[in-house]
Amino acid sequence: GQQLNQSPQSMFIQEGEDVSMNCTSSSIFNTWLWYKQDPGEGPVLLIALYKAGELTSNGRLTAQFGITRKDSFLNISASIPSDVGIYFCAGHRGGSEKLVFGKGMKLTVNP
Amino acid sequence: DGGITQSPKYLFRKEGQNVTLSCEQNLNHDAMYWYRQDPGQGLRLIYYSQIVNDFQKGDIAEGYSVSREKKESFPLTVTSAQKNPTAFYLCASSIAARTGELFFGEGSRLTVL
Repeated sequence: GQQLNQSPQSMFIQEGEDVSMNCTSSSIFNTWLWYKQDPGEGPVLLIALYKAGELTSNGRLTAQFGITRKDSFLNISASIPSDVGIYFCAGHRGGSEKLVFGKGMKLTVNP
Repeated sequence: DGGITQSPKYLFRKEGQNVTLSCEQNLNHDAMYWYRQDPGQGLRLIYYSQIVNDFQKGDIAEGYSVSREKKESFPLTVTSAQKNPTAFYLCASSIAARTGELFFGEGSRLTVL
C-alpha cells in the first residue's frame, strides 16, 4: 500500500528547543492529520487539517496543510520531556478511502 | 468514559497456534480497523470494517481473519498461516470511514516463542 514520505526519521533535541517535521506525497489528499504515539501506547490524534493552506495551532503545536495538497508540516515549540514519542502524519482522500500513514518520526528530548 | 479497549496487553504463543485479540469500543463508531506496527515500518492496515457484518482486507491481510458480528466488537485472529506474527497490534475506530480521525486502543503485543 502507499505510504507517505515522512522526514526526518528521528530527532534528538534538548529540552526547550523547537522541532519541525514534514510529510510529502506524490498524490493529493483532502485531509492531513498528525498523530503522536507514546511508548507502548496507541497513537493519539494531535491535529487534523481539512483545507489547503490551513494553519492550525494546538498549544505548542502548529501544523499546516500544504497549498499543493501534497504535503504537511508539524512544528513543536519549546519542547519538554513529555514530547518524547513517535509522530505520524496521515493523509486521507475522503469517502471510503483508507487512511495512509507515514513511517513515523521518533523524537527524543534530553532534559 | 467512552473509549476503545484491547486485550490482552501482552500475549505469548507457540508457533502453529492461532490466537485471537479482542477489541471493544463504546464510542458508537461505525468503522473499526486493525493495524500492525513493526519497528521502523509505521502502521500497516490488516483489516477494516465500515459496518456490522461487513469487512474488507487491508494491505497485509494474509494470515489474519476478523469478524464484525456486533458494532462494538472487532476481534482479530492471528492464524498459524501468518509467517511472522510477532508484532504490536493496534485496533482503532472512527465515527465513519469517510473521516481520517481515528481513536486507537492501547495495543496488544504478540510474541511468538
